[in-house]
Amino acid sequence: DSGVTQTPKHLITATGQRVTLRCSPRSGDLSVYWYQQSLDQGLQFLIQYYNGEERAKGNILERFSAQQFPDLHSELNLSSLELGDSALYFCASSVGGPSGNTIYFGEGSWLTVV
Amino acid sequence: QKEVEQDPGPLSVPEGAIVSLNCTYSNSAFQYFMWYRQYSRKGPELLMYTYSSGNKEDGRFTAQVDKSSKYISLFIRDSQPSDSATYLCAMTPNQAGTALIFGKGTTLSVSS
Repeated sequence: DSGVTQTPKHLITATGQRVTLRCSPRSGDLSVYWYQQSLDQGLQFLIQYYNGEERAKGNILERFSAQQFPDLHSELNLSSLELGDSALYFCASSVGGPSGNTIYFGEGSWLTVV
Repeated sequence: QKEVEQDPGPLSVPEGAIVSLNCTYSNSAFQYFMWYRQYSRKGPELLMYTYSSGNKEDGRFTAQVDKSSKYISLFIRDSQPSDSATYLCAMTPNQAGTALIFGKGTTLSVSS
């Protein structure tokens, strides 16, 4: 158990809908990361927050947004969903940034868009 | 050219074999290098963490970094069926505002 908690574990939704994925980081970790993993693209970095502020941005679509709340939990919002958004979404956390700190991953949220 | 290249395999070996997994990268700014193990769509778990060039050993696992060649390796000695998983290399520069970049992963199968 990495200590990173993600909910829901699985969800199925229709195209055009909106979903919210939730992440609770390890106790004491200030950084939260979101990654998308699909079969053909591997683990793709979406976005990082540190203590409530956006720190790094990757290949995150405009239809996707995220935030980190004062209690350090984070949410990833996915809207206008398309079939291609079906993937495993991972949250990860670390004490500081990715340089010099161990990044721990949650078990993922499996999103299926039908 | 992708920033991090990793042969997806699959790689199949008999129990007890020495396994060599590799990644190449193009960004010379990468300073921190990691290997993660991922079982069947579970969350990746950190195996090895190295800074800059050199070797690091932990039990049956050895990580090597050759920054001059932009090449990193993970060796698994006396491989076990429980080592069957996907192995992902990951790396990041030593600067704020950057991300941990992953290879696509190599799927390893160790048969008993």
